[in-house]
Amino acid sequence: DQQVKQNSPSLSVQEGRISILNCDYTNSMFDYFLWYKKYPAEGPTFLISISSIKDKNEDGRFTVFLNKSAKHLSLHIVPSQPGDSAVYFCAARGAGGSNYQLIWGAGTKLIIKP
Amino acid sequence: DSGVTQTPKHLITATGQRVTLRCSPRSGDLSVYWYQQSLDQGLQFLIQYYNGEERAKGNILERFSAQQFPDLHSELNLSSLELGDSALYFCASSVGGGTSGREQFFGPGTRLTVL
Repeated sequence: DQQVKQNSPSLSVQEGRISILNCDYTNSMFDYFLWYKKYPAEGPTFLISISSIKDKNEDGRFTVFLNKSAKHLSLHIVPSQPGDSAVYFCAARGAGGSNYQLIWGAGTKLIIKP
Repeated sequence: DSGVTQTPKHLITATGQRVTLRCSPRSGDLSVYWYQQSLDQGLQFLIQYYNGEERAKGNILERFSAQQFPDLHSELNLSSLELGDSALYFCASSVGGGTSGREQFFGPGTRLTVL
């Protein structure tokens, strides 16, 4: 039972253009969503997050949008840079009894073309 | 460099064997989390320790166990290994016992190959 889904295993974007990574979830009890970035041979690093009470959070070139009615969130990267090439994971935090557990998507590999 | 160290980096072993993965958290962090990432899968939360005590349990098999020692380093023990246990095992640490995810810092992982 995949509660967090990233349906695109990979995405290729031209340098300077917008990258949009998508994530869908099934559990309406999730109260917090995060995006992590992972380079090869390294652990994931936190990128940006959003609370379920918001619909947008922006940090520099990175913006996360949350559509609760659609149970969908997206990460926008503008403009895309070569250093953004990495695997991006979406994760969701369960509220209440599962408060300490993050549920992760399978990741999307982003390739920025020069 | 996240400040979280994991050893060994790579481990190759045979089915039925037992291995121990080690994690040293960032200085000052009291929580340690263990995750498993199988090929093309997301990270699966296994278990969390906070200041030496088990805080939360995820999809951890009975063949797997973990502990956190007084110096706060943690070990993940995997026994009766099966081919399907081949994966990347990540350790993360955080200051507190709760998680917003933001404050979790990940080590580089241990790649386990079971032949």
